[in-house]
Amino acid sequence: DSGVTQTPKHLITATGQRVTLRCSPRSGDLSVYWYQQSLDQGLQFLIHYYNGEERAKGNILERFSAQQFPDLHSELNLSSLELGDSALYFCASSPRGRAYEQYFGPGTRLTVT
Amino acid sequence: AQTVTQSQPEMSVQEAETVTLSCTYDTSESNYYLFWYKQPPSRQMILVIRQEAYKQQNATENRFSVNFQKAAKSFSLKISDSQLGDTAMYFCAFGLSGGSYIPTFGRGTSLIVHP
Repeated sequence: DSGVTQTPKHLITATGQRVTLRCSPRSGDLSVYWYQQSLDQGLQFLIHYYNGEERAKGNILERFSAQQFPDLHSELNLSSLELGDSALYFCASSPRGRAYEQYFGPGTRLTVT
Repeated sequence: AQTVTQSQPEMSVQEAETVTLSCTYDTSESNYYLFWYKQPPSRQMILVIRQEAYKQQNATENRFSVNFQKAAKSFSLKISDSQLGDTAMYFCAFGLSGGSYIPTFGRGTSLIVHP
């Protein structure tokens, strides 16, 4: 158990819908990273938040957005869902000053039908 | 931009044998980290080993060791005394030290350990 929690574990929804994925980092970690793992694109970095502020963006679509709240949990919002958004979404957290030391959550499996 | 290449989509090994997974990367930076992650069927991403580019000594974690060749931009993972629980996808990853941390992952190598 990494100490990072993600909910829900599985999510099935239809095209055009909007979903919210939730992540709680390890106690004391201020950073949250979101990743997408799909069969055709592999594991890709989406976005990084540090103590409520966006720090870095990767290959994140405009239909996707994220935020980190004062209690440090983070939410990834996916809207106007397409079949190609079906993937495993991970979040990870890291201790202050050690971005390279990432602890991954168990992931949320999103299926868009 | 950095790239990470894992040229072996699948590998297999007999229990108790040794196997080496290959990884090459491309970067113009000099300060960075390299990682191997394991993803078993449970899907959990688990850090296996980390290497800091400025360190010449190869990292070792129990049965797992790396062969880091900075000039050749090569970072292979050796698993000794393979166990059934080592069956998993293995991802090589690269991350710059300093500045915004945006990691890059390889496409993975599926390792099957046979009894």
